[in-house]
Amino acid sequence: DIQMTQSPSSLSASVGDRVTITCRASQHISNSLAWYQQKPGKAPKLLLYGASRLESGVPSRFSGGGSGTDYTLTISSLQPEDFATYFCHQYYTTPLLTFGGGTKVEIK
Amino acid sequence: EVQLVQSGAEVKKPEKSLKISCKGSGYSFSSHWIGWVRQMPGKGLEWMGFIYPDDSETRYSPSFQGHVTISADRSINTVYLQWSSLKASDTAMYYCVRQNAGGWIDTWGQGTLVTVSS
Repeated sequence: DIQMTQSPSSLSASVGDRVTITCRASQHISNSLAWYQQKPGKAPKLLLYGASRLESGVPSRFSGGGSGTDYTLTISSLQPEDFATYFCHQYYTTPLLTFGGGTKVEIK
Repeated sequence: EVQLVQSGAEVKKPEKSLKISCKGSGYSFSSHWIGWVRQMPGKGLEWMGFIYPDDSETRYSPSFQGHVTISADRSINTVYLQWSSLKASDTAMYYCVRQNAGGWIDTWGQGTLVTVSS
């Protein structure tokens, strides 16, 4: 099984800050990575897929990068509505999937 | 519009059985993997397993194999998640999800909260 290690598990930031979250796979996943945002009491929302492809309707301040085993989600300028928990998942072994542990982004 | 609509919240006692459902609409139901993701209170997301409704091929996470059963009824575009004997540790939110042709999850149901308590 592919394990996904997401870091940090939480962070505090201010509006306007640049924030980067990392997901590391236990083996090469060939950009088969998606990122989600989850707000309390809501289902997750797809942000990016293919490591760097923005889902329709998602603001361009969200971007993704990486390759091989290491991937990043970057929010270029944090907005009030971005305070949430972010998850990655790999789908290299589709239909078997693995999620990262999540990163909670809190207001500093 | 692709939609997954789940059955309502459940409160059950330990050792009871339970079957929750998820109805898909707005797409070709039989031709996408569809399955379940668990989220325990205050915790992260855990992939449980998927079913391919066209032929009922099922894949489970090793963590859930043998503890739950995923099934589908193509005639009514519905997938099920079933327990034969609930435990308190099954208390969680369960999300129905669709995996698209590219492999990632592109649609989530609204979630079904299952509470197991004596």
